[in-house]
Amino acid sequence: DGGITQSPKYLFRKEGQNVTLSCEQNLNHDAMYWYRQDPGQGLRLIYYSQIVNDFQKGDIAEGYSVSREKKESFPLTVTSAQKNPTAFYLCASKVWGGVNEQFFGPGTRLTVL
Amino acid sequence: GENVEQHPSTLSVQEGDSAVIKCTYSDSASNYFPWYKQELGKGPQLIIDIRSNVGEKKDQRIAVTLNKTAKHFSLHITETQPEDSAVYFCAASSSQGSQGNLIFGKGTKLSVKP
Repeated sequence: DGGITQSPKYLFRKEGQNVTLSCEQNLNHDAMYWYRQDPGQGLRLIYYSQIVNDFQKGDIAEGYSVSREKKESFPLTVTSAQKNPTAFYLCASKVWGGVNEQFFGPGTRLTVL
Repeated sequence: GENVEQHPSTLSVQEGDSAVIKCTYSDSASNYFPWYKQELGKGPQLIIDIRSNVGEKKDQRIAVTLNKTAKHFSLHITETQPEDSAVYFCAASSSQGSQGNLIFGKGTKLSVKP
């Protein structure tokens, strides 16, 4: 089955620790995205990547970092510099270029203790 | 940049009634308008989308209308069922500038009462 997987589903972190969220897709999509979702808010773009070894900051990139070493993978690191990291994180991918459907993963809920 | 406003934030209807969710956008260059359904604890799923060269699109009980002049688009769900209960997001995107990135509304929580 083709799709996007995110792991883990739930993640707990102590304050001051970095944590990495996994996102993998086998849809052969070039573009991948990370969003943050808070209650009552829409999806806010953290980072996106249109091609391997290249990525751009979204609207709320501070305190986050990404890498894109493989087409299939786009991990997100939430660093200790992120002041309010507790949220639901969503990864998405799409065919690069133009406007077309983004496919979303099931999400990771991060809680900072 | 683009800004998308979505109303209402919550909507409660009786089973069998219709539900309408409205969105407005600010960037006249936007030309793609998807609607996503998100069930609790899951990722959003596309339910219908419309491009700026058409005014209306239907898929069974779901329809979307687009008014480019007024810069607003709406989601219509007819004969609502309890399984339609979810959060619905609208979004807008332009093929210019930001490479097709989506700008999302804040969502509408739809509750369908049996």
